[in-house]
Amino acid sequence: AQTVTQSQPEMSVQEAETVTLSCTYDTSESDYYLFWYKQPPSRQMILVIRQEAYKQQNATENRFSVNFQKAAKSFSLKISDSQLGDAAMYFCAYRSTGNQFYFGTGTSLTVIP
Amino acid sequence: GAGVSQSPSNKVTEKGKDVELRCDPISGHTALYWYRQSLGQGLEFLIYFQGNSAPDKSGLPSDRFSAERTGGSVSTLTIQRTQQEDSAVYLCASSLGLSNNEQFFGPGTRLTVL
Repeated sequence: AQTVTQSQPEMSVQEAETVTLSCTYDTSESDYYLFWYKQPPSRQMILVIRQEAYKQQNATENRFSVNFQKAAKSFSLKISDSQLGDAAMYFCAYRSTGNQFYFGTGTSLTVIP
Repeated sequence: GAGVSQSPSNKVTEKGKDVELRCDPISGHTALYWYRQSLGQGLEFLIYFQGNSAPDKSGLPSDRFSAERTGGSVSTLTIQRTQQEDSAVYLCASSLGLSNNEQFFGPGTRLTVL
């Protein structure tokens, strides 16, 4: 079975600085998708960024980018120029070829003004 | 509607009672997913529907849990004989199709079993 591990329960970053959230996963599949979701206190999950495993190029969405290391099964999220609105729980997720999703336990990000 | 809606937003029930949670996906979305989020935990995948069909029900925690979807739209998650460990936030999400990876989540139903 696939597992997703987020080893940082909590992280903090100074406003305007850069922070990297870690995620590793375990799988025997070769074709899959990876995601980062943001869950603010409102509880609404929001997709931040996604990466197809067959693509070598790292995905980027404005201030958010990933470092996808397929061989190492690592998928970290970098947030540049952090803003107060970035404060939330961030979840790493894996989608299997069987359309099942596996989520990590989350990293709580605090942005310090 | 504009987004995925879930009802009720909060549900308090007594142990042993049955509960029904409802999810209204975005219009036109054929894929629908149910998750459970326990306090301080990530999301636990429960089941997904493609249309009205749920190909794999192995993610449901026990036989007290069941889900159905009718008309390719509304879905209900039913928990029979609720237990205290069922207390969690139940999230629903929908996407255009299985090949489209962007899931849109609802606000969730917070279930408390006393």
